[in-house]
Amino acid sequence: GAGVSQTPSNKVTEKGKYVELRCDPISGHTALYWYRQSLGQGPEFLIYFQGTGAADDSGLPNDRFFAVRPEGSVSTLKIQRTERGDSAVYLCASSLFPPRGTLSGANVLTFGAGSRLTVL
Amino acid sequence: AQSVTQPDIHITVSEGASLELRCNYSYGATPYLFWYVQSPGQGLQLLLKYFSGDTLVQGIKGFEAEFKRSQSSFNLRKPSVHWSDAAEYFCAVGDLTKEAGTALIFGKGTTLSVSS
Repeated sequence: GAGVSQTPSNKVTEKGKYVELRCDPISGHTALYWYRQSLGQGPEFLIYFQGTGAADDSGLPNDRFFAVRPEGSVSTLKIQRTERGDSAVYLCASSLFPPRGTLSGANVLTFGAGSRLTVL
Repeated sequence: AQSVTQPDIHITVSEGASLELRCNYSYGATPYLFWYVQSPGQGLQLLLKYFSGDTLVQGIKGFEAEFKRSQSSFNLRKPSVHWSDAAEYFCAVGDLTKEAGTALIFGKGTTLSVSS
């Protein structure tokens, strides 16, 4: 698509429930990133994919969080047993992924509008 | 570890006045630096970026930023602010602990208000 699309834009759920957030990246972008933005904070890195595999998931806060990208395009962020502290805006971004050492303007992240998650 | 500091949480500027938003980073080598803007309900939009070369970088919407290695700074400037510039501004650095540095480390942001 023309931009990064995230659904749902808003999700309200109850503590303990399971949630899925979807990201549809820009067509042809091989790299996909998930960030979490809590109120009054900057976005914090969660995980990124190069193709279908998670290249780095070091930002996932615990094992309740999981993300997949089975066909190298759309990604789903999954949160089990949600807690009130999970309330935040979840941002997805995509980019072309450069060979090491050749970062250029083509590799800049393009962000979606985010999915606002509220856990009651 | 790399980090980004935006010292000002909230700034108010009169419409038509000049603007400077501060950003300091910690990293020994030349970093990849970015400024993004976020309006309510909108995604992050890239204003400008610095990878190498000329230390004065021009961006969209009349913004510019200057990379100063000696001060570890990458301050954002605009000569004349418009009411539509009211938004949250984020400085970010490419995380070079991750392959190719495309993953970003963000500052906490500066909220810009514009008064008439």
